Amino acid sequence: GAVVSQHPSWVICKSGTSVKIECRSLDFQATTMFWYRQFPKQSLMLMATSNEGSKATYEQGVEKDKFLINHASLTLSTLTVTSAHPEDSSFYICSAREQNTGELFFGEGSRLTVL
Amino acid sequence: GDSVTQMEGPVTLSEEAFLTINCTYTATGYPSLFWYVQYPGEGLQLLLKATKADDKGSNKGFEATYRKETTSFHLEKGSVQVSDSAVYFCALSLLGYKLSFGAGTTVTVRA
Repeated sequence: GAVVSQHPSWVICKSGTSVKIECRSLDFQATTMFWYRQFPKQSLMLMATSNEGSKATYEQGVEKDKFLINHASLTLSTLTVTSAHPEDSSFYICSAREQNTGELFFGEGSRLTVL
Repeated sequence: GDSVTQMEGPVTLSEEAFLTINCTYTATGYPSLFWYVQYPGEGLQLLLKATKADDKGSNKGFEATYRKETTSFHLEKGSVQVSDSAVYFCALSLLGYKLSFGAGTTVTVRA
C-alpha cells in the first residue's frame, strides 16, 4: 500500500528551541494532509488540516503561531513547533489523503520530547 | 459535534479467545466508519471500514457491521492471536474528510 514517511521519528530538544517535523507521501500525491497529536494512552487529536499551496486550517484551541504548518508540494507537509516547551512533548502523527482515491494513509509518528 | 465512544481498556485475553470492542458514534449525517490498529512501535493502519448502514467490513479475521439503528460499529474477532496485541481505534468520517477518533482500546493477547 501507499507509504507515508515522517521524519524525524523521535527528537529531543531544549525548551525554547524550534523543531520541524516532515511528512512525506512516498508514492502518491496528497493535496491534503492532516496533523494529529497523541497524548499517552489517549486518542489522536486533530490539530490542523494542511492543503497544498494554501494556508492550513487549524482546529479550535490549536495555536497557529505555535504550530506552523507548510504544505509546499503534493508530497510534503511540515509541522514546526516553535519555541517548544515541555508541555509540547507528545507524539505527532500525520496522515495524507491520496489525491485520486481519497484514502487516508498514516505516518509512523514523531515523538517529541522537550527538556 | 461528531464523536466516537469506544470501550475502555485495557483488555487482556488468552490466545484463541473471542474479542469484542464496542464502538458507538454520534454524527449529524451519515458517516463512514473505520477501525484503525496501531501495533507497538508502528503507525496507524486501516483495519477495516464500512461506508453505509448494514455494510460489514472485514480484514485479518476481524469484522464490524455498521448498525445505523444502534449507531454502533463493534469490532469482533473469533479467535485472537498474540500478534493481535495492539491499540485499536474506532473512527468516523463525514464526507470522506476529517477523521474523528475514539480514545483507543489497548488489547493484549497472552500465549
